[in-house]
Amino acid sequence: GDSVTQTEGQVALSEEDFLTIHCNYSASGYPALFWYVQYPGEGPQFLFRASRDKEKGSSRGFEATYDKGTTSFHLRKASVQESDSAVYYCALGNTNKVVFGTGTRLQVLP
Amino acid sequence: EAAVTQSPRNKVTVTGGNVTLSCRQTNSHNYMYWYRQDTGHGLRLIHYSYGAGNLQIGDVPDGYKATRTTQEDFFLLLELASPSQTSLYFCASSEAKNTLYFGAGTRLSVL
Repeated sequence: GDSVTQTEGQVALSEEDFLTIHCNYSASGYPALFWYVQYPGEGPQFLFRASRDKEKGSSRGFEATYDKGTTSFHLRKASVQESDSAVYYCALGNTNKVVFGTGTRLQVLP
Repeated sequence: EAAVTQSPRNKVTVTGGNVTLSCRQTNSHNYMYWYRQDTGHGLRLIHYSYGAGNLQIGDVPDGYKATRTTQEDFFLLLELASPSQTSLYFCASSEAKNTLYFGAGTRLSVL
């Protein structure tokens, strides 16, 4: 079945560091790809999506590019802030079933 | 404002107990989902539905039933709760292949 792999369980950075969180997927067909962010005590919230090969999604300084060749959708941000500390989930949507990765906890130290 | 509301927010029950988690959405979305969230597993799909009376099986359905009574209401039923079902449960709604909107979650403890 469809699956999403996030290799980093936790990431610790200092403010203004560059962020990369890796996401790879396995799916039949042509899924939509998403990033969600979850703050403590809240439900996950949509960050952005991409629907076709080479499309870039972005929001709040975060971005990711849909790469069908490497089946990846890596999250990047050039300069993180303490307020970016949260759990980030990569997800795919295929035939209306939405599957999430295991999440990456980002801690940004001041 | 469009929203997904879950109730109760917290629930404690005993092994073998009967639990119903409720979810109501005012987004006018056709799709609704139930996920459980556990450390090390992320969000795992239990059941989902694309309309009243419809039910689709997710990835971790064992021990759970669900029912979609209206476009707005989606219920998750645990008829014989077990400690392994202690978790944080999220409901979400969406249009087809689009953004999911999540509720605030229900924390369930099975003693």
